[in-house]
Amino acid sequence: ELVLTQSPGTLSLSPGERVTLSCRASQTFSSRYLAWYQQKPGQPPRLLMYSTSNRATGVPDRFSGSGSGTDFTLTINRLEPEDSAVYYCQQYGYSPFIFGPGTKVDIK
Amino acid sequence: EVQLVESGGALVQPGGSLRLSCAASGLTFSNYDMNWVRQGPGKGLEWLSYISSSTNVIYYADSVKGRFIISRDNAKNSLYLQLNSLRAEDTAVYYCATNRFDYWGQGTLVTVSS
Repeated sequence: ELVLTQSPGTLSLSPGERVTLSCRASQTFSSRYLAWYQQKPGQPPRLLMYSTSNRATGVPDRFSGSGSGTDFTLTINRLEPEDSAVYYCQQYGYSPFIFGPGTKVDIK
Repeated sequence: EVQLVESGGALVQPGGSLRLSCAASGLTFSNYDMNWVRQGPGKGLEWLSYISSSTNVIYYADSVKGRFIISRDNAKNSLYLQLNSLRAEDTAVYYCATNRFDYWGQGTLVTVSS
């Protein structure tokens, strides 16, 4: 079964910085089926990216995604305090639709 | 505006059962495949189950296979999850989400404890 690993586990950054989050899969799958979510405390997840590099509706262009095979990344440019959240990657092409363990990003 | 509203969460004893509902509005529900996802306290997201729009395809995570049952009623714009043989580790907020996980409800809390 597919396993997704995210790194780093936690990040503490300053506004204006750039961050790259990693999502690594235990086996290759199509980049058509890699998504990223943002979750803030007490809220449901919010879809950020789908098919690796497509921004969901309303997502600012500071967010970008890339990757293929087993290695995927989410990049956030010009960090803002509101970007503080946990970010999850997910494979949704075939069951089980596995989520990664998440990366917590803290903007101070 | 698309809205998904979960309900049915409660405190239940180990071994008990519960039925969760997800009421959908603002979309043509019968056209959407749907999912259930849960999140334990302080934990990450765990996908649980998927049902196709016409109910002909159903998937479950191994952790709930044989205990949970997903279903839907397109006439009522509703998705369901029957939770049986509940364990302490099933304690979580349960979310419904559309097929591409682009719409999520606010979640309903299930607590399994004696």
